[in-house]
Amino acid sequence: EIVLTQSPATLSLSPGDRATLSCRASQSVSNYLAWYQQKPGQAPSLLIYGASNRATGIPARFSGSGSGTDFTLTISSLEPEDFAIYYCQQRSNGLWTFGQGTKVEIK
Amino acid sequence: QITLKESGPTLVKPTQTLTLTCTFSGFSLSIPGVGVGWIRQPPGKALEWLALIYWDDDKRYSPSLKSRLTITKDTSRNQVVLTVTKVDPVDTATYYCAHSLTYYHGMDVWGQGTTVTVSS
Repeated sequence: EIVLTQSPATLSLSPGDRATLSCRASQSVSNYLAWYQQKPGQAPSLLIYGASNRATGIPARFSGSGSGTDFTLTISSLEPEDFAIYYCQQRSNGLWTFGQGTKVEIK
Repeated sequence: QITLKESGPTLVKPTQTLTLTCTFSGFSLSIPGVGVGWIRQPPGKALEWLALIYWDDDKRYSPSLKSRLTITKDTSRNQVVLTVTKVDPVDTATYYCAHSLTYYHGMDVWGQGTTVTVSS
């Protein structure tokens, strides 16, 4: 089973800052990597699929990159509504797993 | 517009079987590539993928829970059912179902979730 490790666990930033979140897979997942945002009391929502494709309606300040085992989610300039928890997810050999999440909090 | 809604008991006793239903609209589970998955989230913890069923009835389970899970679909009723046997307090969580256009697209639409507590 592939394990996804997200870092850092918590990111303390201010509005307008650039956020860089990392997701590392224990073995290659090609580009079958998605990113989700979850706000308190809400279901997760899809941000990025296929490692670098923005989902419908996702602002351009969100971007994803990487392939194989190392992936990055970048938020170019944090808006107040971007402070949330972010999860990466992979699909390999028919099985899906999530990372442990990175909390982006207001500094 | 795709929507999904989870339903089931809010309280279950230890050792019982939990049955959750995902009722969806706006898509058909007979379209090639489409799947519906179940994910749970214990209070204050991370998301955990449980199971997924595809349009062709291919079923996939989390290895750590495989022996306790069963996922089925009723295409005519637009429902996907997940059963979890022998529940324990550690199964207390919010359970979500979600739509997957293809495995490449991740889970693009989620239900609101249903909270299940396992307690005697």
